[in-house]
Amino acid sequence: AQKVTQAQTEISVVEKEDVTLDCVYETRDTTYYLFWYKQPPSGELVFLIRRNSFDEQNEISGRYSWNFQKSTSSFNFTITASQVVDSAVYFCALSGDDKIIFGKGTRLHILP
Amino acid sequence: SAVISQKPSRDICQRGTSLTIQCQVDSQVTMMFWYRQQPGQSLTLIATANQGSEATYESGFVIDKFPISRPNLTFSTLTVSNMSPEDSSIYLCSVEVGTGIPYEQYFGPGTRLTVT
Repeated sequence: AQKVTQAQTEISVVEKEDVTLDCVYETRDTTYYLFWYKQPPSGELVFLIRRNSFDEQNEISGRYSWNFQKSTSSFNFTITASQVVDSAVYFCALSGDDKIIFGKGTRLHILP
Repeated sequence: SAVISQKPSRDICQRGTSLTIQCQVDSQVTMMFWYRQQPGQSLTLIATANQGSEATYESGFVIDKFPISRPNLTFSTLTVSNMSPEDSSIYLCSVEVGTGIPYEQYFGPGTRLTVT
């Protein structure tokens, strides 16, 4: 069975601090995808990244970076120099042969 | 990119009735997805809708309860049938653009459904 765990329910950091959101997954599939999504207070869901299980290269996009480690079944998301606009709920998701499942989300508060 | 609109944006319905949610995309896409997000919860995929074929439902969701239409490459509907208060959720339409690299996914603004 597949499982996605986002152990951090809620995080608060002061603006300009770096913050890492953890995502740990379980799957028996050899090929799978991992995702991160952002849901700001306005409610719309925003796709951030999809990573193939065969591609363990870290990804950087502006202030966002993702660290994928198969050895620890983790796909962590770091925001560098956080801004108030980064305040949102962030979901990690896993898509394998069976289905896509989402973690419960981490609510991130960036304090001015 | 893709811009998705959904109608209605919200509705309050009585139990036992049905509601059809429309999803319109501004470009042709192969795969459309319907998700549910219950209040304060994470997302759950209901079904995948491909044009010209029957929708594929995830475990726990059945066609009789959530019939889906996909008449063309830019439009889909999801009906929530015989509603109960447990169906109160936000229903989201989503599309994929690109299957390899680059890959993007877009979501509609959602339909907030309250069943009384």
